[in-house]
Amino acid sequence: KQEVTQIPAALSVPEGENLVLNCSFTDSAIYNLQWFRQDPGKGLTSLLLIQSSQREQTSGRLNASLDKSSGRSTLYIAASQPGDSATYLCAVAGGTSYGKLTFGQGTILTVHP
Amino acid sequence: GAGVSQSPRYKVTKRGQDVALRCDPISGHVSLYWYRQALGQGPEFLTYFNYEAQQDKSGLPNDRFSAERPEGSISTLTIQRTEQRDSAMYRCASTPWASGGNEQFFGPGTRLTVL
Repeated sequence: KQEVTQIPAALSVPEGENLVLNCSFTDSAIYNLQWFRQDPGKGLTSLLLIQSSQREQTSGRLNASLDKSSGRSTLYIAASQPGDSATYLCAVAGGTSYGKLTFGQGTILTVHP
Repeated sequence: GAGVSQSPRYKVTKRGQDVALRCDPISGHVSLYWYRQALGQGPEFLTYFNYEAQQDKSGLPNDRFSAERPEGSISTLTIQRTEQRDSAMYRCASTPWASGGNEQFFGPGTRLTVL
């Protein structure tokens, strides 16, 4: 059974700092890995999708890497802003229901001015 | 275009009542997924459909939970004889194709509270 772990559970940083969120998964037979942002009372917003054959994806100040063999992904946020404050979720797709996502518990990020 | 929509956004019900949660996927999306999210946790898979066919219902917790997607578009998740432990956020997502490499687009969720 796939298990996804995110470290740290919570992170508080001053504005402008670069930061890294970590995600690990136990079964390397994945189709893709997706990073989401969750704001209170709102839905999940997809940030980046990395296919299993890819090593990284970039969108603006966000960069996500994937090392499938070691079961790890990192989300790098450059020059953090207070508007980046949210819960960040990592999810992997794989297994017999290949589209089904298995989520981590999330990292709660607070960026203070 | 319009994203995934879910209704109602909030549902408060008494223990023992049946509830029906609706998901309207992005137009033309083939696959539809249901997840449940407890407070402070990541979402957990319940079931999914390709077109109208239910492909996997292994995540449904027990036989009080059922889902359908009769015309391959809108889906309904039904919980019979609700219990307090069913209280959670229920999320729906859709993808354009029936394959494992797709980005999933989520709706705003339905917050279910069972008193």
